[in-house]
Amino acid sequence: DTAVSQTPKYLVTQMGNDKSIKCEQNLGHDTMYWYKQDSKKFLKIMFSYNNKELIINETVPNRFSPKSPDKAHLNLHINSLELGDSAVYFCASSQRPLYNEQFFGPGTRLTVL
Amino acid sequence: DQQVKQNSPSLSVQEGRISILNCDYTNSMFDYFLWYKKYPAEGPTFLISISSIKDKNEDGRFTVFLNKSAKHLSLHIVPSQPGDSAVYFCAASDRGSRLTFGEGTQLTVNP
Repeated sequence: DTAVSQTPKYLVTQMGNDKSIKCEQNLGHDTMYWYKQDSKKFLKIMFSYNNKELIINETVPNRFSPKSPDKAHLNLHINSLELGDSAVYFCASSQRPLYNEQFFGPGTRLTVL
Repeated sequence: DQQVKQNSPSLSVQEGRISILNCDYTNSMFDYFLWYKKYPAEGPTFLISISSIKDKNEDGRFTVFLNKSAKHLSLHIVPSQPGDSAVYFCAASDRGSRLTFGEGTQLTVNP
């Protein structure tokens, strides 16, 4: 009965590959987010969707493309992976857009070799 | 240009004593502040928040203090317990806009 789940938990891949991370929430929330935690441990927002509509799109390379098939799912697809993409990626959700209290998934640690 | 900073990367306290975690911000438009707690291999979980119209908010052992003139907030945990050992993130938002997080402080509570 996990509230926000992500798969996979760990992802190790070669430079240049394409990979996806999946996120699902069973809280009935309208809004979902993707965050990146870099090597300096800062959590930075990448994207946010509300009811399948993109509402936040930070300065992120075009190689990153979020997809929301329904409001309970927000997947992150990354093309042509680079070394600098190595990080922990967190999915989160909230009741409504930009609502401050967000619920986070366990994170996906991506390592690009 | 980090708008939310937690200058202490780590803090160690004895069980039963007070833990004080600090956070400074630079954006005067921030009007809502939150603390999140994170255990290893888990996502951050919401702990406590405070609106800029208040200077204190309490929830059990956790109290957050806000000093708007100094652009400073702190989280007090009394008494500290070993289970409180985690990374604590401070976050702020501007009128419901995106959350800006600090880099976190690792709290270790020694039995």
